[in-house]
Amino acid sequence: AQKVTQAQTEISVVEKEDVTLDCVYETRDTTYYLFWYKQPPSGELVFLIRRNSFDEQNEISGRYSWNFQKSTSSFNFTITASQVVDSAVYFCALSEYNTDKLIFGTGTRLQVFP
Amino acid sequence: DGGITQSPKYLFRKEGQNVTLSCEQNLNHDAMYWYRQDPGQGLRLIYYSQIVNDFQKGDIAEGYSVSREKKESFPLTVTSAQKNPTAFYLCASDFGTGGNQPQHFGDGTRLSIL
Repeated sequence: AQKVTQAQTEISVVEKEDVTLDCVYETRDTTYYLFWYKQPPSGELVFLIRRNSFDEQNEISGRYSWNFQKSTSSFNFTITASQVVDSAVYFCALSEYNTDKLIFGTGTRLQVFP
Repeated sequence: DGGITQSPKYLFRKEGQNVTLSCEQNLNHDAMYWYRQDPGQGLRLIYYSQIVNDFQKGDIAEGYSVSREKKESFPLTVTSAQKNPTAFYLCASDFGTGGNQPQHFGDGTRLSIL
């Protein structure tokens, strides 16, 4: 069965600290896709990144970086030098090959204090 | 600008009343989705549609109904059979290419019981 676990319910940091959000997934498929979304207080989900199961390269985009490790079924998200604007709920999600259904984790609420 | 428009932003339902949430997209996406978000939980799929005049139940379809008469529109009706309708409802869309593309989300509708 598919499952996405985000064990950290809430994280609080002070501005400029680095923070890592954990995501562990379960799937029996060999082809699948992983996503991270950001949900600011306004409510809409903003797409951050997609990774397919054959691409284990880590990715960096500005202050954001993602570490995908198939051996541990994890797809962790790190924010370097956090800012107040990073405060949001972050969701990790999984979809299996040839399905359009996204399975979401329960989200991690990140609060960055000035 | 292309995007997904959900209306209204806030909605109140009386006991025994059906209410309809609107979702319109101008992204030329084939697939559309409705999710329910409760506090501390991830998004759960209510219904989805991959093509006009066709739709499938998601994980929590009981008490909800949908229609897909136009490619651009996917309204959700919360019926009186849904005993706990208070939640945040998000509509999404994508090209329906088998899970490898990110879904785009609207701003959501917050539904409460009067």
